[in-house]
Amino acid sequence: AQKVTQAQTEISVVEKEDVTLDCVYETRDTTYYLFWYKQPPSGELVFLIRRNSFDEQNEISGRYSWNFQKSTSSFNFTITASQVVDSAVYFCALKWDTGFQKLVFGTGTRLLVSP
Amino acid sequence: DVKVTQSSRYLVKRTGEKVFLECVQDMDHENMFWYRQDPGLGLRLIYFSYDVKMKEKGDIPEGYSVSREKKERFSLILESASTNQTSMYLCASSHSWSDAGKDQPQHFGDGTRLSIL
Repeated sequence: AQKVTQAQTEISVVEKEDVTLDCVYETRDTTYYLFWYKQPPSGELVFLIRRNSFDEQNEISGRYSWNFQKSTSSFNFTITASQVVDSAVYFCALKWDTGFQKLVFGTGTRLLVSP
Repeated sequence: DVKVTQSSRYLVKRTGEKVFLECVQDMDHENMFWYRQDPGLGLRLIYFSYDVKMKEKGDIPEGYSVSREKKERFSLILESASTNQTSMYLCASSHSWSDAGKDQPQHFGDGTRLSIL
């Protein structure tokens, strides 16, 4: 079965702290795709990043970085020097090669960044 | 930029009413999806469509139907609304499941908060 687990329901940090959001996935497919989305209070889901199973390179984009490790089936997301505008719910999602375009989402992690 | 537009941000309906949620995308995407989002449950797929007049059940289709008469428009229908259908509904679209499209993300609308009284 395909599954995404985000064990952290809510994280609270103070501005400028670093924070890591965990994502663990399960799939039997050898080809799959992982995504992170951000949902600010306004409600829309904003696509942040995708990673293919055959590309284990980590990625950095400004204050955001992603650590993909197939050995532990994890795709963790780190925000460096967090800001109040980072407050949102973050979702990790999985698409797999035989899943016909379906996305399976984790339950989300709510990040609260206080000034 | 991809634009997915949902017809209403907030909607209040009564039990037993037939409810229509509309979604339009402007990127000529083949695939469209309807999800509901509930606290602690994440997003769950209700229905999706990979072409005009084509539809497939998702994980929780009971109590819902869909219509896709035009490529850009995907409607979710609550045949007889019930209080347990009070939720946030999100529409999404994406490119087709071709080799070039396999790793493409789904793009989401702003969501409709639906309350059934």
